[in-house]
Amino acid sequence: SAVISQKPSRDICQRGTSLTIQCQVDSQVTMMFWYRQQPGQSLTLIATANQGSEATYESGFVIDKFPISRPNLTFSTLTVSNMSPEDSSIYLCSVEAENYEQYFGPGTRLTVT
Amino acid sequence: SQQGEEDPQALSIQEGENATMNCSYKTSINNLQWYRQNSGRGLVHLILIRSNEREKHSGRLRVTLDTSKKSSSLLITASRAADTASYFCATDEENDYKLSFGAGTTVTVRA
Repeated sequence: SAVISQKPSRDICQRGTSLTIQCQVDSQVTMMFWYRQQPGQSLTLIATANQGSEATYESGFVIDKFPISRPNLTFSTLTVSNMSPEDSSIYLCSVEAENYEQYFGPGTRLTVT
Repeated sequence: SQQGEEDPQALSIQEGENATMNCSYKTSINNLQWYRQNSGRGLVHLILIRSNEREKHSGRLRVTLDTSKKSSSLLITASRAADTASYFCATDEENDYKLSFGAGTTVTVRA
């Protein structure tokens, strides 16, 4: 398994501003993922972040809105840009272990006012 | 996109009873994973079952997989109040590492 931490755990932001969420893993992993969970909903994959290459975004998500960095094999950031109330969600990062199991961080609860 | 659907959406049981929830999916898969989420926190990985496996156990959890019906079930035996949570299934399709999540089942265990 992998131990994943996220910062911040929660934040309240004003519309039009940006927030960067950090994800730290206790071991080196090739693949990291960012998910969004809107209130009362299931998880939706935003993008896959691989070290040394640009992130791959899912349909409906664009780099200008959700820029991602992956500077090394244990760390990634997701920025939510120019926020609106519709961006209020829990944002989670995950990693894939060697046995194909995916482990998740504790999430960042974002409220946009 | 969400490939899985879970049934029921919500489940309320008495402590000590068993809880069963089902997950259906649409395409061929490599693996199916079950997760627990407490009160909007992070997801806790419960169990992974591979497409060539039919049943798997972990403590009080029993997972079955029927690839011919494209469905899986999660059984929690002798439930406890601490089992109160939302449970999600997630699949990764053949030749694709990305997870698609079901809508989830909310389980409430009454003391």
